[in-house]
Amino acid sequence: EVQLVESGGALVQPGGSLKLSCAASGFTFSDSNIHWVRQASGKGLEWVARIRNKADSYATAYAASVKGRFTISRDDSKNTAYLQMNSLKTEDTAVYYCIRPGNLGFDYWGQGTLVTVSS
Amino acid sequence: DIQLTQSPSFLSASVGDRVTITCRASQGVSSYLAWYQQKPGKVPKLLIYAASTLQSGVPSRFSGSGSETEFTLTISSLQPEDFATYYCQQLNSFPPSFGQGTKLEIK
Repeated sequence: EVQLVESGGALVQPGGSLKLSCAASGFTFSDSNIHWVRQASGKGLEWVARIRNKADSYATAYAASVKGRFTISRDDSKNTAYLQMNSLKTEDTAVYYCIRPGNLGFDYWGQGTLVTVSS
Repeated sequence: DIQLTQSPSFLSASVGDRVTITCRASQGVSSYLAWYQQKPGKVPKLLIYAASTLQSGVPSRFSGSGSETEFTLTISSLQPEDFATYYCQQLNSFPPSFGQGTKLEIK
């Protein structure tokens, strides 16, 4: 069974940093791309970042709203992906989901972890 | 970036009704369009991919159609468990963008 378990969400002050983790199991993690998507309370889904697998040189991509502040990474030996978030803003407040995509859709989602940026 | 606009944003319907949600793309996305269902407090669930292919386990009352810039999600006969928010997503070009959502409520 595919499982994705996010952790690391917390309350942090504006300008602060936080690192989210996504522990994966039930599939060959090293072969998979991983995405992060976020959702502010009562709002829609916003794609945040993606990291490809080793065969695709671990290529990364970011939404314009987080580029230069967030860094996605992975450790295939630990079956874990990460999202390092720096210079956090109040508008980064959201539930952050880790996703293993299929070929044509986001078919496996974690349960999400809540990040609150507030003073 | 490709913008997706869903209509309507809110929809009120009754059990047994047939409902249709539209998703329009600002540029052609071929058939790289997916639909998700999200219930309150729950994780989004993939319903349809490639515009019209039902994800495994999704009831056949759900169907999708369209290509390039206009897509529809149809529920043929609403069931109580279908009241939720629905999102479209394009995967034709980066970044993979979502529509703003359609909240389907009980009339």
